[in-house]
Amino acid sequence: GAGVSQSPSNKVTEKGKDVELRCDPISGHTALYWYRQSLGQGLEFLIYFQGNSAPDKSGLPSDRFSAERTGGSVSTLTIQRTQQEDSAVYLCASSLSQQEGETQYFGPGTRLLVL
Amino acid sequence: GNSVTQMEGPVTLSEEAFLTINCTYTATGYPSLFWYVQYPGEGLQLLLKATKADDKGSNKGFEATYRKETTSFHLEKGSVQVSDSAVYFCALTVTGGGNKLTFGTGTQLKVEL
Repeated sequence: GAGVSQSPSNKVTEKGKDVELRCDPISGHTALYWYRQSLGQGLEFLIYFQGNSAPDKSGLPSDRFSAERTGGSVSTLTIQRTQQEDSAVYLCASSLSQQEGETQYFGPGTRLLVL
Repeated sequence: GNSVTQMEGPVTLSEEAFLTINCTYTATGYPSLFWYVQYPGEGLQLLLKATKADDKGSNKGFEATYRKETTSFHLEKGSVQVSDSAVYFCALTVTGGGNKLTFGTGTQLKVEL
């Protein structure tokens, strides 16, 4: 079946603009995760959803970052007033549940460049 | 807090050489442990995992054993191939943490003919 998909694959934006990144999880997966991969910080957790609620937003770097999930499926990560330090690859993953040890399946990522 | 420490890369090996990539962790309780791999131009994919002490995860000739006494999960392969060239990430999740992954910094492996 289809894996996790993300769009756009690449995004170039100007500093100060808002961007929206989209994630389509594997059908039937109730848990959805956002991570960020950057040269300076490695792979870091941002936020996760169980269904449509977000029990853990602790990894969001600032209040410019927000995310939502609707219908227990698609999720959107929004970055407002982008800064150059937001440049990174944003990864989405989904898993059958939020149970510890459950395998997460990753999408190809969105590469964001803020000029 | 929870953390994962991996050996620094890059690691360069000749084909058919033995591979070890060290991984140690700090975590509350007993975590689940994972190795993820990122091939050039591709997304992260699970290589293997172990969810309790003394478990051995294995896949594609790679193995790792969950050692509680040394808090380690070292990745090994007896004979590497050029196609194993990739970045390898050790990671963990903890009970009550919503299954969010804490990653090590990654180790780049380059296998040459």
